[in-house]
Amino acid sequence: GAGVSQSPSNKVTEKGKDVELRCDPISGHTALYWYRQSLGQGLEFLIYFQGNSAPDKSGLPSDRFSAERTGGSVSTLTIQRTQQEDSAVYLCASSLAWTAYNEQFFGPGTRLTVL
Amino acid sequence: DAKTTQPPSMDCAEGRAANLPCNHSTISGNEYVYWYRQIHSQGPQYIIHGLKNNETNEMASLIITEDRKSSTLILPHATLRDTAVYYCIVRVLNFGNEKLTFGTGTRLTIIP
Repeated sequence: GAGVSQSPSNKVTEKGKDVELRCDPISGHTALYWYRQSLGQGLEFLIYFQGNSAPDKSGLPSDRFSAERTGGSVSTLTIQRTQQEDSAVYLCASSLAWTAYNEQFFGPGTRLTVL
Repeated sequence: DAKTTQPPSMDCAEGRAANLPCNHSTISGNEYVYWYRQIHSQGPQYIIHGLKNNETNEMASLIITEDRKSSTLILPHATLRDTAVYYCIVRVLNFGNEKLTFGTGTRLTIIP
């Protein structure tokens, strides 16, 4: 079946603009995660959804970052008034949260470049 | 904070076994050891996980020491496609601890 998909694959924007990144999880996966990976850095957790609710937003770096999930499926990550330090690859993952172990399946990522 | 320590890089000859070590000396009794890898320009990929027994699947084997303070991921016959960054992660398997905390990983290069 289809894996996790993300769009766009690449996004170049000017500083101060808002951007919206989309994630389509694997069908039936109730848990959805956003991570980001800055150049040469490891992966950094941003936010986790269980269904449409976000029990863990601890990783969002500032109030310019927000995310929502509707219908228990598609999620969007919105970055307002982008800054150059927001440049990174934004990765989405999904998992079957109700299993004894939670293998997370990752999408290919969205590469965001803020000029 | 990542609770694991891995060498930053390793090389392995194609066709040989690649043995990737991981130290997790502060691991708790209810924490599992997970391994993911990230091939260049792709999202991370799950490899294997274990608690205290050795585990094997179609991709790799995981050997966990008896005291659980370290483990080794074994790729039995490395190919060029195994070149990637390998992440060792410890995590508790209960609700509310869903996120993965990645460290810096080991960059494995398979040499032809």
